Amino acid sequence: SQQGEEDPQALSIQEGENATMNCSYKTSINNLQWYRQNSGRGLVHLILIRSNEREKHSGRLRVTLDTSKKSSSLLITASRAADTASYFCATVAMNRDDKIIFGKGTRLHILP
Amino acid sequence: DAGITQSPRHKVTETGTPVTLRCHQTENHRYMYWYRQDPGHGLRLIHYSYGVKDTDKGEVSDGYSVSRSKTEDFLLTLESATSSQTSVYFCAISTGEDTQYFGPGTRLTVL
Repeated sequence: SQQGEEDPQALSIQEGENATMNCSYKTSINNLQWYRQNSGRGLVHLILIRSNEREKHSGRLRVTLDTSKKSSSLLITASRAADTASYFCATVAMNRDDKIIFGKGTRLHILP
Repeated sequence: DAGITQSPRHKVTETGTPVTLRCHQTENHRYMYWYRQDPGHGLRLIHYSYGVKDTDKGEVSDGYSVSRSKTEDFLLTLESATSSQTSVYFCAISTGEDTQYFGPGTRLTVL
């Protein structure tokens, strides 16, 4: 399976601090995506990074991809209470078999 | 939620009864997906569709069937619900450019 595995499973930080979550996967990918899920809601797409990219930014989000290590990280800078959510990485296989495989997620809690 | 609705939003049913969940989109996206989300398992793909009448199985398809007779509707059917199918079910759509857009979810309880 190429399922992504997020690390840590849960993370609590003070508001204003930076939050870093990691994702590891097993097989070659076409792209990797990060999603956010607020409690009781559906997932929301945050950012997509392709296999030929190493870093991507979107607002306070920074994503890196290391295909040699089969890993990615999501950095949220200057965290806010509204960032409290679960974050999932998801991978699309190199053969683009029309499926995205999701990891189990990191639960992020921002403390006031 | 990007023009995606799911119905019902909550359902309680008994073991052995048939259940159909509906996903409706107004985006005219080609791809539609059904996932279930359970604690400790994350999000797992049940079935997906890549066009009208074109469907395929996902990771956890046993006990589920799907149909897509129109671009906008993707139905998930549990022919005979079991307690192990108690879960939150999410529908998602995409254009095939990989980003998926999710519906609000359906919480199903099988007693």
